[in-house]
Amino acid sequence: EDQVTQSPEALRLQEGESSSLNCSYTVSGLRGLFWYRQDPGKGPEFLFTLYSAGEEKEKERLKATLTKKESFLHITAPKPEDSATYLCAVRTSGTYKYIFGTGTRLKVLA
Amino acid sequence: DTGVSQDPRHKITKRGQNVTFRCDPISEHNRLYWYRQTLGQGPEFLTYFQNEAQLEKSRLLSDRFSAERPKGSFSTLEIQRTEQGDSAMYLCASSLAGEETQYFGPGTRLLVL
Repeated sequence: EDQVTQSPEALRLQEGESSSLNCSYTVSGLRGLFWYRQDPGKGPEFLFTLYSAGEEKEKERLKATLTKKESFLHITAPKPEDSATYLCAVRTSGTYKYIFGTGTRLKVLA
Repeated sequence: DTGVSQDPRHKITKRGQNVTFRCDPISEHNRLYWYRQTLGQGPEFLTYFQNEAQLEKSRLLSDRFSAERPKGSFSTLEIQRTEQGDSAMYLCASSLAGEETQYFGPGTRLLVL
């Protein structure tokens, strides 16, 4: 069964303290892996799409990487405004369904 | 604003009532998705449209749920005989054919009393 697992469930960082969020996946055939940011009470906001192992994408303080079994979202020198839930999702071959993980709740303290 | 829009943003209803939500996707996007999200969980896939055709539907979706996209533009999601377990955020997303990235709307938060 296709599955997405995110860790940790929650993470507290001091401002400027870099860290990484993990998304591990078990799928029959990966069509794409997606990272989203979600603020409380709002819809997910698109961050990155990764298609193949070895691919990397960057945006401001965020960098996403992909291997054959997992993806990492690296946060460099985070700021309080980076506080949010970060969601990982995959789309697999043979279906239009996207499978989401349960997310990592990130809190960055000033 | 050219993003995905949803209406209403909030809905409170009594158990047993029917509710309908609307989603307007990004104008050139022909793919449209509905998701349900409960507290502490990621979005859960409900159904997918390509233009006006409903091509995939979650097996978890009961017969009380129905979705339409009559002209391949906006979509509606109806829940009949609502139950307290239907309380959740209902999210709509759209994407362009040939691209995998989905863009989400702000969601409709449903509370069933």
